Amino acid sequence: DAGVTQSPTHLIKTRGQQVTLRCSPKSGHDTVSWYQQALGQGPQFIFQYYEEEERQRGNFPDRFSGHQFPNYSSELNVNALLLGDSALYLCASSWVGTGGTEAFFGQGTRLTVV
Amino acid sequence: AQKVTQAQTEISVVEKEDVTLDCVYETRDTTYYLFWYKQPPSGELVFLIRRNSFDEQNEISGRYSWNFQKSTSSFNFTITASQVVDSAVYFCALSDGGSQGNLIFGKGTKLSVKP
Repeated sequence: DAGVTQSPTHLIKTRGQQVTLRCSPKSGHDTVSWYQQALGQGPQFIFQYYEEEERQRGNFPDRFSGHQFPNYSSELNVNALLLGDSALYLCASSWVGTGGTEAFFGQGTRLTVV
Repeated sequence: AQKVTQAQTEISVVEKEDVTLDCVYETRDTTYYLFWYKQPPSGELVFLIRRNSFDEQNEISGRYSWNFQKSTSSFNFTITASQVVDSAVYFCALSDGGSQGNLIFGKGTKLSVKP
């Protein structure tokens, strides 16, 4: 059983560009959450998707948007990249039946903005 | 507001020593969940334990043990007889009962176990 998979693993973008990160949830999971982890910090919640809709959102600007597909996979899009967007982006999946209390994380996508 | 504090930024021990990682949390909710995750250099967050606010029983899993005390809002993690493979960053996290999975993380404690 594959766990949570994210792609790509590493990415370098130029300031002002746009980026799309992808996440496939663990089998049987229907909810996907995205987190941003800056160097030396704990992960910060960006948003969560369930039934193809954004269900919760953290304190992130509208430049951060997402999407969930019918197969529960998800994308995170960031527009107008800033140097401060450089971070490890983690995807977590869970099943709605557990109220999100059993979240499994992927290995992350390390984004570098130059 | 919810908050998780891990006051220890870095800890260094020698193999076979016991080590305790501290976690203090703040929440106004009566129902909440506490977690510990391990993050090795590869980056993936590895789930270690979940505890709900109604269960203050301490738990032991092999060399790992957790002490949950609501009176002091603490959820500390002890590794007994540490090993080099325990070297990682450890995060404590909090989730309220209704947030559907929005985890609030502490800043993490980097544990280095030297041979």
